[in-house]
Amino acid sequence: QKEVEQNSGPLSVPEGAIASLNCTYSDRGSQSFFWYRQYSGKSPELIMFIYSNGDKEDGRFTAQLNKASQYVSLLIRDSQPSDSATYLCAVNGGILGNEKLTFGTGTRLTIIP
Amino acid sequence: DGGITQSPKYLFRKEGQNVTLSCEQNLNHDAMYWYRQDPGQGLRLIYYSQIVNDFQKGDIAEGYSVSREKKESFPLTVTSAQKNPTAFYLCASRPLTQETQYFGPGTRLLVL
Repeated sequence: QKEVEQNSGPLSVPEGAIASLNCTYSDRGSQSFFWYRQYSGKSPELIMFIYSNGDKEDGRFTAQLNKASQYVSLLIRDSQPSDSATYLCAVNGGILGNEKLTFGTGTRLTIIP
Repeated sequence: DGGITQSPKYLFRKEGQNVTLSCEQNLNHDAMYWYRQDPGQGLRLIYYSQIVNDFQKGDIAEGYSVSREKKESFPLTVTSAQKNPTAFYLCASRPLTQETQYFGPGTRLLVL
Protein backbone atom coordinates (compact mmCIF):
# COMPACT_ATOMS: atom_id res chain seq x y z
CA GLN A 1 0.00 0.00 0.00
CA LYS A 2 1.50 3.29 -1.08
CA GLU A 3 1.55 5.83 1.71
CA VAL A 4 1.86 9.57 1.90
CA GLU A 5 2.40 10.97 5.37
CA GLN A 6 1.79 14.50 6.57
CA ASN A 7 1.70 16.04 10.02
CA SER A 8 -1.98 16.83 10.54
CA GLY A 9 -1.22 19.96 12.56
CA PRO A 10 -2.61 22.41 13.27
CA LEU A 11 0.46 24.41 12.39
CA SER A 12 0.29 28.00 13.61
CA VAL A 13 2.55 30.61 12.03
CA PRO A 14 2.67 34.38 12.64
CA GLU A 15 1.74 36.61 9.73
CA GLY A 16 4.81 37.50 7.68
CA ALA A 17 6.80 34.44 8.78
CA ILE A 18 7.74 31.36 6.74
CA ALA A 19 5.42 28.35 6.94
CA SER A 20 7.06 24.98 6.32
CA LEU A 21 4.91 21.98 5.40
CA ASN A 22 6.37 18.51 5.10
CA CYS A 23 5.42 15.27 3.37
CA THR A 24 7.05 11.85 3.15
CA TYR A 25 6.12 9.06 0.76
CA SER A 26 6.76 5.33 0.66
CA ASP A 27 6.95 4.48 -3.06
CA ARG A 28 10.48 5.03 -4.38
CA GLY A 29 9.11 4.82 -7.92
CA SER A 30 7.03 7.97 -7.53
CA GLN A 31 8.05 10.66 -9.96
CA SER A 32 5.58 13.52 -9.62
CA PHE A 33 4.61 15.44 -6.51
CA PHE A 34 1.81 17.92 -6.00
CA TRP A 35 0.69 20.41 -3.39
CA TYR A 36 -2.97 21.35 -3.19
CA ARG A 37 -4.60 23.95 -0.95
CA GLN A 38 -8.07 23.28 0.43
CA TYR A 39 -10.13 25.91 2.20
CA SER A 40 -12.73 24.66 4.66
CA GLY A 41 -15.76 23.30 2.83
CA LYS A 42 -14.19 23.80 -0.59
CA SER A 43 -12.46 21.57 -3.11
CA PRO A 44 -8.66 21.31 -3.46
CA GLU A 45 -6.85 23.68 -5.79
CA LEU A 46 -3.38 23.11 -7.19
CA ILE A 47 -0.58 25.27 -5.83
CA MET A 48 2.50 23.61 -7.28
CA PHE A 49 3.93 20.46 -8.73
CA ILE A 50 7.54 19.29 -8.80
CA TYR A 51 9.25 16.48 -10.69
CA SER A 52 12.98 17.02 -10.18
CA ASN A 53 15.17 17.01 -7.10
CA GLY A 54 15.82 20.46 -5.70
CA ASP A 55 13.72 23.56 -5.35
CA LYS A 56 10.97 25.04 -7.49
CA GLU A 57 9.78 28.55 -6.78
CA ASP A 58 6.52 30.24 -7.73
CA GLY A 59 5.92 33.59 -6.11
CA ARG A 60 5.76 33.15 -2.33
CA PHE A 61 5.72 29.36 -2.66
CA THR A 62 8.72 27.04 -2.91
CA ALA A 63 8.48 23.28 -3.32
CA GLN A 64 11.48 21.19 -2.31
CA LEU A 65 12.03 17.58 -3.37
CA ASN A 66 14.55 15.05 -2.09
CA LYS A 67 13.94 11.69 -3.74
CA ALA A 68 16.75 9.96 -1.87
CA SER A 69 15.06 10.79 1.43
CA GLN A 70 11.55 10.40 -0.07
CA TYR A 71 10.65 13.83 1.22
CA VAL A 72 8.84 16.79 -0.32
CA SER A 73 8.12 20.09 1.37
CA LEU A 74 6.29 23.35 0.71
CA LEU A 75 7.55 26.68 2.01
CA ILE A 76 5.28 29.70 2.12
CA ARG A 77 7.13 32.98 2.55
CA ASP A 78 5.57 36.15 3.95
CA SER A 79 2.58 34.16 5.21
CA GLN A 80 -0.78 35.88 4.93
CA PRO A 81 -4.05 35.18 6.77
CA SER A 82 -5.46 34.06 3.39
CA ASP A 83 -2.95 31.20 3.44
CA SER A 84 -4.87 29.63 6.34
CA ALA A 85 -6.11 26.34 4.87
CA THR A 86 -5.39 22.63 4.76
CA TYR A 87 -2.50 21.69 2.47
CA LEU A 88 -2.64 18.30 0.78
CA CYS A 89 0.43 16.53 -0.55
CA ALA A 90 -0.17 14.14 -3.46
CA VAL A 91 2.19 11.69 -5.11
CA ASN A 92 1.81 9.80 -8.39
CA GLY A 93 2.15 6.08 -8.71
CA GLY A 94 5.38 5.94 -10.65
CA ILE A 95 5.89 4.46 -14.10
CA LEU A 96 3.33 1.69 -13.60
CA GLY A 97 0.76 3.86 -11.85
CA ASN A 98 1.13 7.41 -13.01
CA GLU A 99 -2.57 7.66 -13.83
CA LYS A 100 -3.39 7.87 -10.12
CA LEU A 101 -2.46 10.13 -7.24
CA THR A 102 -2.19 9.13 -3.59
CA PHE A 103 -3.06 11.93 -1.17
CA GLY A 104 -1.86 12.57 2.34
CA THR A 105 -4.34 13.48 5.06
CA GLY A 106 -3.30 17.14 4.91
CA THR A 107 -1.76 19.69 7.26
CA ARG A 108 -4.00 22.39 8.65
CA LEU A 109 -2.20 25.73 8.60
CA THR A 110 -3.32 28.78 10.57
CA ILE A 111 -1.69 32.16 10.01
CA ILE A 112 -1.95 34.32 13.10
CA PRO A 113 -2.38 38.08 12.40
CA ASP B 1 -16.86 29.16 -19.35
CA GLY B 2 -14.79 26.01 -18.97
CA GLY B 3 -14.64 23.87 -15.90
CA ILE B 4 -15.86 20.94 -13.89
CA THR B 5 -19.34 21.02 -12.47
CA GLN B 6 -20.82 18.77 -9.81
CA SER B 7 -24.42 18.58 -8.80
CA PRO B 8 -26.15 18.76 -6.50
CA LYS B 9 -24.13 20.72 -3.95
CA TYR B 10 -25.92 18.88 -1.13
CA LEU B 11 -27.66 15.52 -1.37
CA PHE B 12 -29.70 13.66 1.21
CA ARG B 13 -30.04 9.89 1.10
CA LYS B 14 -32.66 7.81 2.84
CA GLU B 15 -31.97 4.34 4.18
CA GLY B 16 -31.80 1.77 1.39
CA GLN B 17 -31.85 4.36 -1.37
CA ASN B 18 -29.50 4.63 -4.33
CA VAL B 19 -28.41 8.16 -5.23
CA THR B 20 -26.45 9.48 -8.21
CA LEU B 21 -23.93 12.31 -8.13
CA SER B 22 -23.29 14.19 -11.34
CA CYS B 23 -19.90 15.27 -12.69
CA GLU B 24 -19.56 17.08 -16.00
CA GLN B 25 -16.51 18.72 -17.58
CA ASN B 26 -16.10 20.79 -20.74
CA LEU B 27 -12.31 20.87 -20.62
CA ASN B 28 -11.95 18.01 -23.13
CA HIS B 29 -10.11 16.04 -20.45
CA ASP B 30 -9.71 12.33 -21.05
CA ALA B 31 -9.40 11.03 -17.49
CA MET B 32 -11.94 11.53 -14.72
CA TYR B 33 -11.85 10.53 -11.06
CA TRP B 34 -14.11 10.21 -8.04
CA TYR B 35 -12.79 10.71 -4.52
CA ARG B 36 -14.36 10.57 -1.11
CA GLN B 37 -13.19 12.84 1.73
CA ASP B 38 -14.16 12.26 5.36
CA PRO B 39 -13.63 14.92 8.06
CA GLY B 40 -9.96 15.36 8.89
CA GLN B 41 -8.90 12.85 6.28
CA GLY B 42 -7.32 12.95 2.87
CA LEU B 43 -8.89 11.99 -0.42
CA ARG B 44 -9.57 8.33 -1.10
CA LEU B 45 -10.03 7.14 -4.68
CA ILE B 46 -13.33 5.43 -5.49
CA TYR B 47 -13.25 4.95 -9.28
CA TYR B 48 -11.45 6.43 -12.25
CA SER B 49 -11.76 6.35 -16.02
CA GLN B 50 -9.22 7.19 -18.70
CA ILE B 51 -11.39 6.54 -21.73
CA VAL B 52 -15.05 6.35 -22.65
CA ASN B 53 -16.72 3.05 -21.76
CA ASP B 54 -13.84 1.97 -19.52
CA PHE B 55 -13.23 2.52 -15.82
CA GLN B 56 -11.20 1.03 -12.97
CA LYS B 57 -11.82 0.52 -9.28
CA GLY B 58 -9.93 2.65 -6.83
CA ASP B 59 -9.15 1.87 -3.22
CA ILE B 60 -12.71 2.03 -1.86
CA ALA B 61 -15.02 0.99 -4.73
CA GLU B 62 -17.35 -1.25 -2.70
CA GLY B 63 -20.87 0.15 -2.54
CA TYR B 64 -20.33 2.49 -5.49
CA SER B 65 -20.83 2.25 -9.25
CA VAL B 66 -19.94 4.49 -12.19
CA SER B 67 -20.45 4.79 -15.93
CA ARG B 68 -18.56 6.64 -18.65
CA GLU B 69 -20.82 6.80 -21.69
CA LYS B 70 -19.60 10.23 -22.75
CA LYS B 71 -16.20 11.88 -22.44
CA GLU B 72 -17.73 14.85 -20.63
CA SER B 73 -19.65 12.92 -17.99
CA PHE B 74 -18.73 10.53 -15.18
CA PRO B 75 -21.68 10.00 -12.80
CA LEU B 76 -21.22 8.18 -9.50
CA THR B 77 -24.00 6.10 -7.93
CA VAL B 78 -23.88 5.50 -4.20
CA THR B 79 -25.78 2.27 -3.69
CA SER B 80 -27.63 1.00 -0.65
CA ALA B 81 -24.69 -1.36 -0.10
CA GLN B 82 -22.58 1.60 1.00
CA LYS B 83 -23.35 1.61 4.71
CA ASN B 84 -21.52 4.78 5.64
CA PRO B 85 -21.99 7.17 2.71
CA THR B 86 -21.86 10.47 4.58
CA ALA B 87 -18.87 12.33 3.13
CA PHE B 88 -17.71 15.05 0.76
CA TYR B 89 -17.48 13.65 -2.78
CA LEU B 90 -15.02 15.21 -5.20
CA CYS B 91 -14.78 14.71 -8.95
CA ALA B 92 -11.54 15.50 -10.76
CA SER B 93 -10.29 15.38 -14.33
CA ARG B 94 -7.09 15.74 -16.30
CA PRO B 95 -5.85 15.47 -19.89
CA LEU B 96 -3.79 12.33 -20.50
CA THR B 97 -0.79 14.52 -21.36
CA GLN B 98 -0.66 15.88 -17.80
CA GLU B 99 -0.65 14.32 -14.36
CA THR B 100 -2.20 17.31 -12.58
CA GLN B 101 -5.79 16.68 -11.58
CA TYR B 102 -8.31 19.52 -11.42
CA PHE B 103 -11.24 19.33 -9.04
CA GLY B 104 -14.90 20.20 -9.23
CA PRO B 105 -16.64 22.00 -6.33
CA GLY B 106 -17.81 18.80 -4.65
CA THR B 107 -21.07 17.27 -3.43
CA ARG B 108 -21.79 16.81 0.24
CA LEU B 109 -23.85 13.65 0.86
CA LEU B 110 -25.80 13.31 4.07
CA VAL B 111 -27.89 10.42 5.33
CA LEU B 112 -31.38 11.08 6.72
